[in-house]
Amino acid sequence: EVQLVESGGGLVQPGRSLRLSCAASGFTFDDYAMHWVRQAPGKGLEWVSSINWNSGRIGYADSVKGRFTISRDNAKNSLYLQMNSLRAEDTALYYCAKNSLPRGSGWYCFDYWGQGTLVTVSS
Amino acid sequence: DIQMTQSPSSLSASVGDTVTITCRASQGISNHLAWYQQKPGKVPKLLIYAASTLQSGVPSRFSGSGSGTDFTLTISSLQPEDVATYYCQKYNGAPLTFGGGTKVEIK
Repeated sequence: EVQLVESGGGLVQPGRSLRLSCAASGFTFDDYAMHWVRQAPGKGLEWVSSINWNSGRIGYADSVKGRFTISRDNAKNSLYLQMNSLRAEDTALYYCAKNSLPRGSGWYCFDYWGQGTLVTVSS
Repeated sequence: DIQMTQSPSSLSASVGDTVTITCRASQGISNHLAWYQQKPGKVPKLLIYAASTLQSGVPSRFSGSGSGTDFTLTISSLQPEDVATYYCQKYNGAPLTFGGGTKVEIK
C-alpha cells in the first residue's frame, strides 16, 4: 500500500524558515517523480514544486521560486521542501504527491497524496 | 504560463442529474489534463487522466472529454457521495497548474 506521510509543519514567524519532509513507502520511490502541492485555508489547490526521480529536473511555482528548495533522498525514501523567507501567504496545508507514471514519463498527474502538514506563518 | 479556467465555480444539482464541468486552457495542452475530486476535509483523489482515461476504481458515471484547450468532466446520475470540489490540472510541463475548482452540491 502506497503511503505518503508529511511532517515538519507548524507555526513560524514571517521571514523564518521551515523544512517539510515526506516519508514514502509501498512503492519504489526512486522510480517516480514527486511533487508538493499546497492549499490555503478555504482555497483551491496550488502546485508548488516538482522533482524528477534523480533530482535532475526540478520546477517551482513563481510564487515560491528563489525561496523554496525541493530535494529528495532516494536512500531514505524521502522528499523534502526547504522553505525560507516565509510569508503570511505561504500559510497552507502542504501535500506531497506521487507522480502517476515512472521515470522516463516526465511529470504527469498525481495518483497518491499524503494527508498534508499545516504551515502557519504568523507573528 | 498557461492558465486553467474552470466553470462554473459552483453548482447545485439533484440526485440523478447529469452534471458537466468545463476546464479551459489558455493555450493548447493536447490531452495532458487530469481531474481530481476533493471531498470536504479529505485529500484530493485522481479521477481522470489523459483527459478521458478513468483512474482505476473510479465509478463509471464519471467521464472526461476534450483535447487542446477545452475539456469537460461529466458526472452522469449524480450521487450524494459526489458532493465535492473538482479540480482540473494540466501536466504538459511546469507549472503544473490547477484550475480554480468547481464545488458540486446536492439540491
